[in-house]
Amino acid sequence: DGGITQSPKYLFRKEGQNVTLSCEQNLNHDAMYWYRQDPGQGLRLIYYSQIVNDFQKGDIAEGYSVSREKKESFPLTVTSAQKNPTAFYLCASTEEGSNQPQHFGDGTRLSIL
Amino acid sequence: DAKTTQPPSMDCAEGRAANLPCNHSTISGNEYVYWYRQIHSQGPQYIIHGLKNNETNEMASLIITEDRKSSTLILPHATLRDTAVYYCIAKNNQAGTALIFGKGTTLSVSS
Repeated sequence: DGGITQSPKYLFRKEGQNVTLSCEQNLNHDAMYWYRQDPGQGLRLIYYSQIVNDFQKGDIAEGYSVSREKKESFPLTVTSAQKNPTAFYLCASTEEGSNQPQHFGDGTRLSIL
Repeated sequence: DAKTTQPPSMDCAEGRAANLPCNHSTISGNEYVYWYRQIHSQGPQYIIHGLKNNETNEMASLIITEDRKSSTLILPHATLRDTAVYYCIAKNNQAGTALIFGKGTTLSVSS
C-alpha cells in the first residue's frame, strides 16, 4: 500500500545528543513537510521540501536540520541546539502546486531522558 | 490562509449522523476547505476537501454554503471509532504552504 512511514514510533534523547527521525514515502510526491505538535496544540511547520536537494525553513526551524537526497526520503535531525525537543513529530507529503491534500505519517514521539 | 472557527466539542450517538460545522468567513476565492481528523497519538487523517461544490466520498460528505463562508462535515452513520478531534482548514495551492491546524472540534461518539 502507498503511504508515509515514520520511524521510530518512540525515541529518547539524552542531553547534548543529536537524533534523526526517519520519513519515507512511496506516493511519488514531490513535496514533503515536517511538523511539530505539542500537547493540546496545533501543528507548527519546521521544514519543507518541494523538490530533491532543496528545502526551506518553516516557522520553527531553529535547532533542526533536514536533507532531501532522494525523492522518497526526508529525514529530520533534532540537534542539541533544540532546547525543548519533547514533542510529537509529524511528516507529510503532497503533490505540490495542486489542491491535493497533504497526507501524514503516524508520527514519532520524542522524549528527553 | 483564512481563519476557521469550530465549536470545541460535540457529542453524537452511535449510528446517527454527525454534523460538524466550520466558519471561514474570510476565505478567498482560491482557498479550498480541507477536513482532517486526529485520534490521540496518531497522525492526522485526511477526510475530504472541496472548493465550492458539495463533495462526498466513502468517509464523509462536505457541504459548503453558496457564499463559501461556512461548511459542514457530515459523517452519515457515526461509530465509536469516529471519536477524534476534527480540523477544518482553509488553504490555497501556493507552494510550501503549511496546513494551519487550530484547536478543532472534539467529537465524542457514544453508544
